[in-house]
Amino acid sequence: GQQLNQSPQSMFIQEGEDVSMNCTSSSIFNTWLWYKQDPGEGPVLLIALYKAGELTSNGRLTAQFGITRKDSFLNISASIPSDVGIYFCAGMYSGGGADGLTFGKGTHLIIQP
Amino acid sequence: DAGVTQSPTHLIKTRGQQVTLRCSPKSGHDTVSWYQQALGQGPQFIFQYYEEEERQRGNFPDRFSGHQFPNYSSELNVNALLLGDSALYLCASSLVSTYEQYFGPGTRLTVT
Repeated sequence: GQQLNQSPQSMFIQEGEDVSMNCTSSSIFNTWLWYKQDPGEGPVLLIALYKAGELTSNGRLTAQFGITRKDSFLNISASIPSDVGIYFCAGMYSGGGADGLTFGKGTHLIIQP
Repeated sequence: DAGVTQSPTHLIKTRGQQVTLRCSPKSGHDTVSWYQQALGQGPQFIFQYYEEEERQRGNFPDRFSGHQFPNYSSELNVNALLLGDSALYLCASSLVSTYEQYFGPGTRLTVT
């Protein structure tokens, strides 16, 4: 099935550093969602974006809906140990109402001691 | 406010068998979507149910079928299990009028 290109695949950072990750698609989307998944758990919704160019924050997290509608970016400021996990982007193109999401393969965030 | 719940948590089946997984949506939600997540991959969309009917389907064979009940809960059925069906099966609920989907903890299916 189709998947989005998410990069980087993994990130090794120090506590306190800022993190940036992105997601690109060959198709346009009208909704972008960012999720975090911990081992043995389901994905947890972090941020939802609905409009090209939109910039939305949730605490230390900031995400942007690319103006081409084919990409999205997630930034985490001043990382802390509980930020460790896998971050997924997900896109949806809907003609009306909620549809199935297309996911990236994830960015694995690891914080080095 | 109860979130999305799924049962069972873990399941082990043999090739060729059939399995049924269950999902209860978040309170107030009317739409249920099912996803398959293989190890090291992102979730793949299987299908979505609204008003007790399949509303949209991903690229999965007919061995995968589902049902939605009047109380909005849902079941995922997989027939003639293959080794490749081993995965984490995730249920997500939403309102049909919105795009935010909330996931349950998943059911880990192992086919031997």
